Amino acid sequence: EADIYQTPRYLVIGTGKKITLECSQTMGHDKMYWYQQDPGMELHLIHYSYGVNSTEKGDLSSESTVSRIRTEHFPLTLESARPSHTSQYLCATLPPGSYGYTFGSGTRLTVV
Amino acid sequence: DQQVKQNSPSLSVQEGRISILNCDYTNSMFDYFLWYKKYPAEGPTFLISISSIKDKNEDGRFTVFLNKSAKHLSLHIVPSQPGDSAVYFCAQRDDKIIFGKGTRLHILP
Repeated sequence: EADIYQTPRYLVIGTGKKITLECSQTMGHDKMYWYQQDPGMELHLIHYSYGVNSTEKGDLSSESTVSRIRTEHFPLTLESARPSHTSQYLCATLPPGSYGYTFGSGTRLTVV
Repeated sequence: DQQVKQNSPSLSVQEGRISILNCDYTNSMFDYFLWYKKYPAEGPTFLISISSIKDKNEDGRFTVFLNKSAKHLSLHIVPSQPGDSAVYFCAQRDDKIIFGKGTRLHILP
């Protein structure tokens, strides 16, 4: 089973700041995903990666960007945070042969 | 347009009784259906899955039923326990996973 670590767990930041949400996994899984969830709403896929140097946009348009320079690391960056970016951001991997993703604990971002 | 619909935002069930969570879908091309459980301030955890070629899968207190003709699946939890209070997400997957909006389950003492 994958160990997925997301930091920070909670972040309150001012408008216009640049932020990076960290996601790391220790099992060497190729497939990683970022989901965004607003309260009471479904999880929306915003980015995914099938391996190093591979990144794709998800179904929900997002102003964030991602990178995958190393297998274990999949950070998400917002160049200029806005209140509309306030949400929970969840990172996940898909273990080979598994039916479902394994999620990290998430980062709850509040932009004031 | 939502591909996975959970029409009940919340559900309250007495401890020890059966909890039934429902989900409807529009796209029949997905291979697997999944249920996830989520506590506040945590990531979702995988609960149970069912292949599109089956109509029932059971794991302990949790059973998922798939009705392909009605494009409907349900999760049964019996007996319900206080620790089952959480938000439950229905999902479909092929290469990616599509989630519903979730149903908040309250188990009453």
